[in-house]
Amino acid sequence: QSALTQPASVSGSPGQSITISCTGTSSDVGGYNYVSWYQQHPGKVPKLLIYDVSNRPSGVSNRFSGSKSGNTASLTISGLQAEDEADYYCSSYRSSSTLFVFGTGTKVTVL
Amino acid sequence: QVQLVQSGAEVKKPGASVKVSCKASGYTFTDYYIHWVRQAPGQGLEWMGWINPNSAYTNYAQNFQGRVTMTRDTSISIVYMELSRLTSDDTAVYYCARGGRAARDNWFDPWGQGTLVTVSS
Repeated sequence: QSALTQPASVSGSPGQSITISCTGTSSDVGGYNYVSWYQQHPGKVPKLLIYDVSNRPSGVSNRFSGSKSGNTASLTISGLQAEDEADYYCSSYRSSSTLFVFGTGTKVTVL
Repeated sequence: QVQLVQSGAEVKKPGASVKVSCKASGYTFTDYYIHWVRQAPGQGLEWMGWINPNSAYTNYAQNFQGRVTMTRDTSISIVYMELSRLTSDDTAVYYCARGGRAARDNWFDPWGQGTLVTVSS
């Protein structure tokens, strides 16, 4: 069962906006609005940032936003801050014997 | 507040089994699915399966079918994940995470603190 494809790394300067892509297929990302995003700092537990493509849980900064086009979902971080330096993972529901799949992960570096 | 607390770290020999617990509090235990996700050292997240605490119905990822068993005890709001026939490739941090009310709900929040399972001879 293959993972969703994310860029290995993305970087930006403080205050800039960056976008992380998450590419799947019509059996997962493209077929359902069940995409979520997670932030994980080193040695820490993953934190939910976005669910159902573009919804933010209460308490999550509005600097984080999600979208989807075809088989690719995206997470945009605006007004990049030093604390945003972390690993980011997407996840999608998948119509297969394995119901959920994560992305390969993206390391965000704040320059 | 909603909280998931997992059992402590384990060291196992190849071929053995491990059973990790996840105690839920702060919400109605039977209303939400519990998922298990693992993360090998320096690697990404891997979904292992879920259990419906109300019905005890389970769904396992293909990679773990035949080796993983998820159970629950509603009297004490605990979910268990047992993985058998361990190899060194199973060395990882194992997380439980609360899902949604429906089987397709793809969000995991909150997560337990993680349980490190080390498989070594």
